[in-house]
Amino acid sequence: NAGVMQNPRHLVRRRGQEARLRCSPMKGHSHVYWYRQLPEEGLKFMVYLQKENIIDESGMPKERFSAEFPKEGPSILRIQQVVRGDSAAYFCASSPREEMGGTEAFFGQGTRLTVV
Amino acid sequence: QKEVEQNSGPLSVPEGAIASLNCTYSDRVSQSFFWYRQYSGKSPELIMSIYSNGDKEDGRFTAQLNKASQYVSLLIRDSQPSDSATYLCAALYSGGSNYKLTFGKGTLLTVNP
Repeated sequence: NAGVMQNPRHLVRRRGQEARLRCSPMKGHSHVYWYRQLPEEGLKFMVYLQKENIIDESGMPKERFSAEFPKEGPSILRIQQVVRGDSAAYFCASSPREEMGGTEAFFGQGTRLTVV
Repeated sequence: QKEVEQNSGPLSVPEGAIASLNCTYSDRVSQSFFWYRQYSGKSPELIMSIYSNGDKEDGRFTAQLNKASQYVSLLIRDSQPSDSATYLCAALYSGGSNYKLTFGKGTLLTVNP
């Protein structure tokens, strides 16, 4: 049973480019969370999605950031016109639906974004 | 604003001692609580989940939950140098279809040989 898969593991973008981060949840999981982590800091909630729905995006910057979790395929976190301040580790976690017997969330390995 | 607060640390204990990590949460709606361990440069790893008041033991780890006091703790017995990591407390807010998972800032634990 494969775990949460994130790709790429490392991503370098020049200022002004777009960054696309992908997250494939564990099999059977329909909830996806995205978090950002700066060095020596905690996990900052960005967005929570279920299949085809954004449930809570209260942690997402209003501009340049968007997320989706289509019916088929991975969840995508998209950052347009990246700036140096976007450099961070971005983690995705997935969990099953509560009525499926669990609420535990498991993390992928993360994508380290560096903006140069 | 639902928040999770952890004692700031860092926490340093000698090998073989008990490490005690604490966490409080701000709302009464959260029903599920989790402890994650994160090694430097790695992703968080789930080590304990707790849903009911009282204690839950798993090997050297014991999680304690007190919903009346909105308090969660993690005890690590017989601490080992390999336990040195940042420990993250998380609360799952359940409101309608929203299962938002919120983390504290983490406590850095160092176990000295």
